[in-house]
Amino acid sequence: KNQVEQSPQSLIILEGKNCTLQCNYTVSPFSNLRWYKQDTGRGPVSLTIMTFSENTKSNGRYTATLDADTKQSSLHITASQLSDSASYICVVSDSNYQLIWGAGTKLIIKP
Amino acid sequence: DAEITQSPRHKITETGRQVTLACHQTWNHNNMFWYRQDLGHGLRLIHYSYGVHDTNKGEVSDGYSVSRSNTEDLPLTLESAASSQTSVYFCASSEPGQNTGELFFGEGSRLTVL
Repeated sequence: KNQVEQSPQSLIILEGKNCTLQCNYTVSPFSNLRWYKQDTGRGPVSLTIMTFSENTKSNGRYTATLDADTKQSSLHITASQLSDSASYICVVSDSNYQLIWGAGTKLIIKP
Repeated sequence: DAEITQSPRHKITETGRQVTLACHQTWNHNNMFWYRQDLGHGLRLIHYSYGVHDTNKGEVSDGYSVSRSNTEDLPLTLESAASSQTSVYFCASSEPGQNTGELFFGEGSRLTVL
């Protein structure tokens, strides 16, 4: 069964610190992998979309990595800010272009 | 600026009532989607449409229906609301090209079924 697992479920860090969120998937073959940011009470917003041939993609302080061999992705946030407090969701698109959504990692940035 | 809007943002209804959630987008996207989001779960696809008069069932379509009479709107109807349909509902749209395009989401509609 195609699944996307994210870890940790939740994370608390101090403002200014870096953090890395993990995503493991069993989707095979896959078309692309996406990371979304969802603020509380809002809809998800796209951060990055990577195809299987891309290893790294950045969007400002957000850097996503992809290892298609081990079926793992990570989202690294550099110099965290209070506005980074949100849920971060990993989504994998299968070969039929259906999206399989992870449950998300809830990140809290404390001042 | 183009946007996607949902209404109502909050609704409380009773079991057995019919409920319609509206979704309107000004991106001129052909693809539109309805998802539900529950604690501990990823977003789950309810229905989707790739163009006017086209509708398709997602993984959790039972008890829901949609219709697409124009490009801008994809209303979601709960024919007879059940407590299990208490959830937050998100509408999204994307450019043509199947699901390789970026998804744009509305702000969500929180539905409570008593």
